[in-house]
Amino acid sequence: QKEVEQNSGPLSVPEGAIASLNCTYSDRDSQSFFWYRQYSGKSPELIMFIYSNGDKEDGRFTAQLNKASQYVSLLIRDSQPSDSATYLCALSASGYSTLTFGKGTMLLVSP
Amino acid sequence: DTAVSQTPKYLVTQMGNDKSIKCEQNLGHDTMYWYKQDSKKFLKIMFSYNNKELIINETVPNRFSPKSPDKAHLNLHINSLELGDSAVYFCASSQPLSREQYFGPGTRLTVT
Repeated sequence: QKEVEQNSGPLSVPEGAIASLNCTYSDRDSQSFFWYRQYSGKSPELIMFIYSNGDKEDGRFTAQLNKASQYVSLLIRDSQPSDSATYLCALSASGYSTLTFGKGTMLLVSP
Repeated sequence: DTAVSQTPKYLVTQMGNDKSIKCEQNLGHDTMYWYKQDSKKFLKIMFSYNNKELIINETVPNRFSPKSPDKAHLNLHINSLELGDSAVYFCASSQPLSREQYFGPGTRLTVT
C-alpha cells in the first residue's frame, strides 16, 4: 500500500525566507511526483511536478527528487504571505494509476 | 472559461436521502476522477474514468455510483446518505498518459 508522509506543520517562516517542505514515500514503484497548493476552502492547485532524480526549478519553486532515499521536497524561495497555504505531496506509479496524496503541510509566512 | 466545474458548490441534506454532484471539464482531457477530502483534509481517490469507462474504483461503498455520459462529464450519485459521507468532493481531470491532474472547485456535502 502506498504511503506518503508529510509533517503536518504548521511550518512558520518569515517573509523573504526559504521554505522547505518535505515528503517521504513508501512505494518504490512510484514514478511521478507532484506538489499541490491548497488555500483554505479552495481546491488543490498543481504547482510543480517532477519525474526524474535531481532538481527542477520553476520561478521561486524548486522540486527535488531522490528516488534512492524515497524523498521529495519543495523549496519556496523569497516566501511571501500569499504562499501561506497547505502543500500536498502526491505521487503515482505508471499507467492509469491515480494520485496518492499525503496529508499536507501547512505553511505560514509572516510579514 | 472555467476548466473543471462542479455543481452544486454546497449541498446540505438529511440522512437517507439520495443526491447527485455534477462535473464538467472543457480541457479536452480523456480521464476524470472523483476525490473525497474529509474533515482532516485527507484527499483520497474514489473513482477514475478514462473515455467514459471506469478504470479505478477504490473500495468505495456501492451507495456511490459514478456515471460518465461522455468524456467531458463525470457525475457522482450517492444513495442513502450517511453522516460519514459529509466531506468535500473534488472532481479532477487529466490526459491519460499524464498524471498532472486539474481539480474542480469542490462540492461541500453536509449530511445532517
